[in-house]
Amino acid sequence: SQQGEEDPQALSIQEGENATMNCSYKTSINNLQWYRQNSGRGLVHLILIRSNEREKHSGRLRVTLDTSKKSSSLLITASRAADTASYFCATAKAAGNKLTFGGGTRVLVKP
Amino acid sequence: EAGVAQSPRYKIIEKRQSVAFWCNPISGHATLYWYQQILGQGPKLLIQFQNNGVVDDSQLPKDRFSAERLKGVDSTLKIQPAKLEDSAVYLCASSHGHQASYEQYFGPGTRLTVT
Repeated sequence: SQQGEEDPQALSIQEGENATMNCSYKTSINNLQWYRQNSGRGLVHLILIRSNEREKHSGRLRVTLDTSKKSSSLLITASRAADTASYFCATAKAAGNKLTFGGGTRVLVKP
Repeated sequence: EAGVAQSPRYKIIEKRQSVAFWCNPISGHATLYWYQQILGQGPKLLIQFQNNGVVDDSQLPKDRFSAERLKGVDSTLKIQPAKLEDSAVYLCASSHGHQASYEQYFGPGTRLTVT
């Protein structure tokens, strides 16, 4: 079974707009990670946020984590056509490094 | 730094045939993972190795899937016999260690089609 569930399943925006996607999970975690996947570059790690962190930034990416609600959000600001991809959240528990992925959000950025 | 290498990139077989996938992780990475990604879904972990030992294979269908990492470097994943529902992309990933904070680096995957 998948731990994380992304919302929405698909998102279509214009270049320059912001894109926000959410992830909910069910059990306690050590950290939550976001990945991007497109046909050209495979699955690429974007950002990791630990359970004791509430917000993290990396370039145009902003991730929040609310452990009380078991949810996370990924914001991509000033989107570009190259941001077109599927975005997955993945949770890691305290023991081991087993990642449990959600079903992903497909983002289309129109030029 | 060279990334995770996988081969072949594509494979088409008939059901009941066997197939093998190969993975070469990033040099120095002790932990290696095999994931199965069915179209439209997120990756699902099949097996995790720490050096040449299995850490987690709870979601590996052991009646038909097997994997090995004999020398703690390269790994092979085999399916025998294949079923139609095995059609998926098989992703290999590696990380420095098996602690939860280590980033996993993914290979390009092998797309398997079972007809």
